[in-house]
Amino acid sequence: QVTLKESGPGILQPSQTLSLTCTFSGFSLSTYGMGVGWIRQPSGKGLEWLANIWWDDDKYYNPSLKNRLTISKDTSNNQAFLKITNVDTADTATYYCARIPLRRVSFDYWGQGVMVTVSS
Amino acid sequence: DVQMTQSPSYLAASPGESVSISCKASKSINTYLAWYQEKPGKTNKLLIYSGSTLQSGTPSRFSGSGSGTDFTLTIRSLEPEDFAVYYCQQHNEYPLTFGSGTKLEIK
Repeated sequence: QVTLKESGPGILQPSQTLSLTCTFSGFSLSTYGMGVGWIRQPSGKGLEWLANIWWDDDKYYNPSLKNRLTISKDTSNNQAFLKITNVDTADTATYYCARIPLRRVSFDYWGQGVMVTVSS
Repeated sequence: DVQMTQSPSYLAASPGESVSISCKASKSINTYLAWYQEKPGKTNKLLIYSGSTLQSGTPSRFSGSGSGTDFTLTIRSLEPEDFAVYYCQQHNEYPLTFGSGTKLEIK
């Protein structure tokens, strides 16, 4: 059974760095073709893709967030991570991680999401 | 970036009816279009990928069609559990982009 669960700080202040963890089970990020992505959704709004990381450590980022994103993984502990630097109120959103079993399939399993609020 | 224009943004229908949701890409995405269902208290569900391939577990009343820039999600004979928000997403190129969503409500 594939499950993913996001965790994060809940609330942080502008200019801080947001660190998110995706802990998953039921698959391995060392499996050929496997990937994990991060997507966010401000309250009442649509979905925005942030970054993907692949089994071979290939990484892709949304250029709209310029150089603020860093995605990484810990294959041994079945975790993926996302850092967003210099946050501001526009980064307030629910953040999701999701599995990508193959590039042609896209996100087949999602976590429940973790709400993050940026406020002074 | 590939812009995904999804319509309508809101749709009201009755159980048993059939509905269609459109998703148009700003340039060709071949057939790399996914459809998701969002419901409160549940994780997002992948319904269809690569334009028309049903994800395992997706009921056969759901179907996807299209290629290039124009895609359609059709739900035949709506069931009560189908009332939800639906998103399209192109997975042809980076950055991956989503449509703005369609809220399907009971009439």
